[in-house]
Amino acid sequence: AQSVTQLGSHVSVSEGALVLLRCNYSSSVPPYLFWYVQYPNQGLQLLLKYTTGATLVKGINGFEAEFKKSETSFHLTKPSAHMSDAAEYFCAVSQNTGNQFYFGTGTSLTVIP
Amino acid sequence: EAGVVQSPRYKIIEKKQPVAFWCNPISGHNTLYWYRQNLGQGPELLIRYENEEAVDDSQLPKDRFSAERLKGVDSTLKIQPAELGDSAVYLCASSLAATNNGEQFFGPGTRLTVL
Repeated sequence: AQSVTQLGSHVSVSEGALVLLRCNYSSSVPPYLFWYVQYPNQGLQLLLKYTTGATLVKGINGFEAEFKKSETSFHLTKPSAHMSDAAEYFCAVSQNTGNQFYFGTGTSLTVIP
Repeated sequence: EAGVVQSPRYKIIEKKQPVAFWCNPISGHNTLYWYRQNLGQGPELLIRYENEEAVDDSQLPKDRFSAERLKGVDSTLKIQPAELGDSAVYLCASSLAATNNGEQFFGPGTRLTVL
């Protein structure tokens, strides 16, 4: 069975500060991991994904995430927050068979000017 | 390249009424998904299609929900009759033919309000 836990439903950071959004997963098989961003009244947009290979994954808009198998984590980071980063962020895990995605409950990011 | 198209964007109905949502996936994407996203939650899969075939509908409440994907392209999701608890955003997504790590592309969703 797969599941995703996102710690912190709301995160606030100052503009220019580090962004850290936490994601832990459980998976009985090697997972594929994703971060999606959702702006108000829009669909989800892929930020980055981990499938195989390098555990540090770089995505769009300056975001990156590191797959840590020992910690079953896939935290999302950005060195310097921008006002435009304010949105809802979802972590998702996929089985290695089929396309079943399991999403976390999301983290709402607020950027304070 | 056009993205996933959904209509309507918003729908307000009274309980016990029927409602239908339409989705046109990205051209060439064989896999289509319908998700329901409740307020403050992540999307939850309702049904997944591979071409015309519904390969995973285990989470679809079949007493009132139905879906079809005739010709393996666009799809409709129907609720009849709607209940208050059906108020949510219904998201459609598509991806290339089933791959183990395929990115899913999401439409903007249909926000349903049941009064």
